[in-house]
Amino acid sequence: DGGITQSPKYLFRKEGQNVTLSCEQNLNHDAMYWYRQDPGQGLRLIYYSQIVNDFQKGDIAEGYSVSREKKESFPLTVTSAQKNPTAFYLCASSIDREGGQETQYFGPGTRLLVL
Amino acid sequence: EDQVTQSPEALRLQEGESSSLNCSYTVSGLRGLFWYRQDPGKGPEFLFTLYSAGEEKEKERLKATLTKKESFLHITAPKPEDSATYLCAVQGAQKLVFGQGTRLTINP
Repeated sequence: DGGITQSPKYLFRKEGQNVTLSCEQNLNHDAMYWYRQDPGQGLRLIYYSQIVNDFQKGDIAEGYSVSREKKESFPLTVTSAQKNPTAFYLCASSIDREGGQETQYFGPGTRLLVL
Repeated sequence: EDQVTQSPEALRLQEGESSSLNCSYTVSGLRGLFWYRQDPGKGPEFLFTLYSAGEEKEKERLKATLTKKESFLHITAPKPEDSATYLCAVQGAQKLVFGQGTRLTINP
């Protein structure tokens, strides 16, 4: 079955700790995205990547970092610089960001909580 | 700046009671309007993409329509399993912009 997987489902972060959220897709999609979802707010874009070894900041990139070493994988690191990391994190992918056919498909999400 | 506003924030219906959810938007150069369904604690599930005013799409009890300023998600004779948060998003020149969602509850 093709799809997007995210792990872990729940993640706990201690003060001053960096944590990494995993996102893998086997849809052969070129573009991948990370969003943050907070109660009562729309999804906000953290980072996106159109091709391997290239990524761009979204609206709320401060305190986060990403890498795109493989087409299938787009991990997100929440650094200690992110002072309010508690949220639901969603990874998505699409066929081609520039080509017009940009329906994004989402993974199941990771809930990050601060201890 | 592209903007999306969904209304109402929450809607409670009886089983079989039809209604509509609204998504108003402002965007420079609409490339697509998307509807998603999201269950609690899960990722959004894609429902529809609409590209131009006048376009309509249907799936089971759901029908999405699009004008130049807004989109409606009509739900006909809903069932309790239709309870979810419905998200609207618009694609302009730059990125996908999401509304805050409408939380729909269908009581049996």
